[in-house]
Amino acid sequence: EVQLVQSRAEIKKPGESLKISCKTSGFTFITYWIAWVRQMPGKGLEWMGIIYPGDSDTRYSPSFQGQVTISADKSIDTAYLQWSSLKASDTAMYYCVRLQQLVSDVTSYFFDYWGQGTLVTVSS
Amino acid sequence: QSVLTQPPSASGTPGQRVTISCSGSSSNIGGNTVNWYQQLPGTAPKLLIYSNNQRPSGVPDRLSGSKSGTSGSLAISGLQSEDEADYYCAAWDDSLNGYVFGTGTKVTV
Repeated sequence: EVQLVQSRAEIKKPGESLKISCKTSGFTFITYWIAWVRQMPGKGLEWMGIIYPGDSDTRYSPSFQGQVTISADKSIDTAYLQWSSLKASDTAMYYCVRLQQLVSDVTSYFFDYWGQGTLVTVSS
Repeated sequence: QSVLTQPPSASGTPGQRVTISCSGSSSNIGGNTVNWYQQLPGTAPKLLIYSNNQRPSGVPDRLSGSKSGTSGSLAISGLQSEDEADYYCAAWDDSLNGYVFGTGTKVTV
């Protein structure tokens, strides 16, 4: 059974650092892209970036480039999202997701499995 | 910032049919497939439709998807109270070289 289990909710102060995790199981971690998706309170879904744990190839949405760091540890099948200096505007739910690619006449890309989400609250 | 546009809300009575539109461009829906996600209140989103019109195992056939040009649509037939949720379209974007979501549609039954 495919599972993405995220770390617990966090309450932090502005300026603090944070690293949240996404422990995966039930599939070969190094052969799938893993992405992070943000959902601010009462708002929609935003793609932040993606990593291929097999070779650590990482890409970011322009909106998040330089704001966060995505990494992975293939020895423990876990992906990470980290901040070096949190802001109040980082308050949101963060989801890790597995990217599925289906190749036919057109390649389809979609997120087939989602983690349960990690709520990050940044407040002084 | 979302690059796929959806109506903010849609509603219907039990048993009715509701359709949600998703408007994109040549760099996303026009050149790639459309996917749909359902987010029930207080839960993580779930894949509902992939590759324009394919349903994952467990998704009832009263939900269907389609694509035409740079737009996609999701239809819910035989509307039920359990369909009350937020629905998001999404697609790969070749210009962004990343994934884009729609603005989201809240369905009320």
